[in-house]
Amino acid sequence: GQQVMQIPQYQHVQEGEDFTTYCNSSTTLSNIQWYKQRPGGHPVFLIQLVKSGEVKKQKRLTFQFGEAKKNSSLHITATQTTDVGTYFCAGTSNTGKLIFGQGTTLQVKP
Amino acid sequence: NAGVTQTPKFQVLKTGQSMTLQCAQDMNHNSMYWYRQDPGMGLRLIYYSASEGTTDKGEVPNGYNVSRLNKREFSLRLESAAPSQTSVYFCASLRLGGSPLHFGNGTRLTVT
Repeated sequence: GQQVMQIPQYQHVQEGEDFTTYCNSSTTLSNIQWYKQRPGGHPVFLIQLVKSGEVKKQKRLTFQFGEAKKNSSLHITATQTTDVGTYFCAGTSNTGKLIFGQGTTLQVKP
Repeated sequence: NAGVTQTPKFQVLKTGQSMTLQCAQDMNHNSMYWYRQDPGMGLRLIYYSASEGTTDKGEVPNGYNVSRLNKREFSLRLESAAPSQTSVYFCASLRLGGSPLHFGNGTRLTVT
């Protein structure tokens, strides 16, 4: 079946270091969404990428959608303690099905 | 605007008991979803309702039933709870396919 694999599962960084999480799909996606879930909270929508090769930025966060629309990444520059949480990608297949990756949990040491 | 409201927030059940998780959205969204979240497993879709009057199974439907009561409300029922159903349950809604999901605050369920 269609899958979206996300790595790494966990990442511990020192405050100020960069962080990247990657998503790979077994099939071409029509779009990819990114969500952030704070500890004890619920997933909150961050951004959606639709176009092949698209890059979007939100302050220290950079999101990329691969040329083949099968992979995506989220990069955080100079992490802060407020970045702690679990980041999920979710890809929409060509049949309209939304498939979540397993998530990457980020811990930031002050 | 409340968004997506889930009740209850916490629940403890004994094996074999039944309960219904309630979800309501006030954003006039067409589609509604029930997910469960377990450590290391991400978000797994239990059931969804693409529009009022329709429901479909997701990837982990066994042991659950759903009802799309009207456009606003989508409930999840556990007829005979099992310890394997200990999890955090999230309801979510979206306006149209390809739109972002809006999640409720979750229900933390423990089955002993």
